[in-house]
Amino acid sequence: IVLTQSPGTLSLSPGERATLSCRANQSVADNYIAWYQQIAGQAPRLLVFGTSSRAEGIPSRFTGGGSGTDFTLTISRLEPEDFAVYYCQQYVASPWTFGQGTKVEIK
Amino acid sequence: QVQLVQSGAQLKKPGSLVKVSCKASGGSFSTYSLSWVRQSPGQGLEWMGGVIPILARTTYAQNFEGRVTITADHSTTTTYLELNGLRLEDTAIYYCTLSSAQDWFFDVWGRGTLVTVSS
Repeated sequence: IVLTQSPGTLSLSPGERATLSCRANQSVADNYIAWYQQIAGQAPRLLVFGTSSRAEGIPSRFTGGGSGTDFTLTISRLEPEDFAVYYCQQYVASPWTFGQGTKVEIK
Repeated sequence: QVQLVQSGAQLKKPGSLVKVSCKASGGSFSTYSLSWVRQSPGQGLEWMGGVIPILARTTYAQNFEGRVTITADHSTTTTYLELNGLRLEDTAIYYCTLSSAQDWFFDVWGRGTLVTVSS
């Protein structure tokens, strides 16, 4: 399954809302989509699994949604620590694949 | 909370083999699935394969089939990645990851091991 993320880069200011898109080339059954955040120089961190379940310790400003082939990650109000690269991943069909990433940068 | 501690950076010649280790501590090793995900310089994430220790079952991405071996040692709660026939394009950070649920999303990550392939 190929995942295409858009936009490639999102330029926003702290306090603004970010909406990231992840589109699959076929339906993702059971909404087996996860989202990760990768801050420069660090390993990725799980944010959301099962499309909309937040991982342990993840703030409520991160919300995952969608179904079928279209999924989103919304960050309601950007904090300085949220500027990073975000990846979606499908785990419904092996090989588990990732999108190419969306970079959220400070405007 | 489980932690994953990976071995250090390595420099390898083309055609050689690399072996990277990842020790899990602070949890029940056997109930997890462990995977290796790599990230080439400036690139995205690529799942290579994984192992379910309690089932002694491994699964590999087709892109790496035949070149990669993933094993798990219960006695030391360590998983290993072996990649042979190294190419320049195998230069990457190799992450050990863990899925504590019965699904293949990755809720714990090691810090990564840089493998550089250069002649």
